[in-house]
Amino acid sequence: GESVGLHLPTLSVQEGDNSIINCAYSNSASDYFIWYKQESGKGPQFIIDIRSNMDKRQGQRVTVLLNKTVKHLSLQIAATQPGDSAVYFCAETLYNQGGKLIFGQGTELSVKP
Amino acid sequence: DTGVSQNPRHKITKRGQNVTFRCDPISEHNRLYWYRQTLGQGPEFLTYFQNEAQLEKSRLLSDRFSAERPKGSFSTLEIQRTEQGDSAMYLCASSLVWAARRTGELFFGEGSRLTVL
Repeated sequence: GESVGLHLPTLSVQEGDNSIINCAYSNSASDYFIWYKQESGKGPQFIIDIRSNMDKRQGQRVTVLLNKTVKHLSLQIAATQPGDSAVYFCAETLYNQGGKLIFGQGTELSVKP
Repeated sequence: DTGVSQNPRHKITKRGQNVTFRCDPISEHNRLYWYRQTLGQGPEFLTYFQNEAQLEKSRLLSDRFSAERPKGSFSTLEIQRTEQGDSAMYLCASSLVWAARRTGELFFGEGSRLTVL
């Protein structure tokens, strides 16, 4: 995804609901994708990753879906909790490029108790 | 605390001054990365090291920017003749050699915020 300025997309959900955060990536050659969570005043924190030979990967309460046809990633968070409130970024790269990540525009998730 | 450590956390300087940021990575990590993040944007890659070798630099890293990792441990990022456009959060991250891991987990520090007046 490309950054479009200061105004972050926001998603507001009720505690206990499921959240879906979407991301469009830019390079069709990218073969490795990562979701990061960034809380206010902190650095990004790894959540889950997926390689291009997969279309779904599950972690603890999180699932990442990859649709290479339309260059789209999504992050699903089950039973969203107040502690999930943060900005979420997707990142893309070529697996053999190491940690040179291209981050998309973030989405701010707000969880209402 | 065995995470990535960055200092100073916040630096306010006047335009034209030089600033230096330090990053101490997780001790066993041999890769170290610098990213820059402006308000409302995702981090942008600047450069990375494997041990003491600087392997790649982004076009964003102008001649006023220099990064070093002299002994393959801590790293410094220096900005000379700062400009207001340099105001940003400078993030450091570290990881193990990529191919040896099943995940691409970069461990980020909390960043050094630069404000240029």
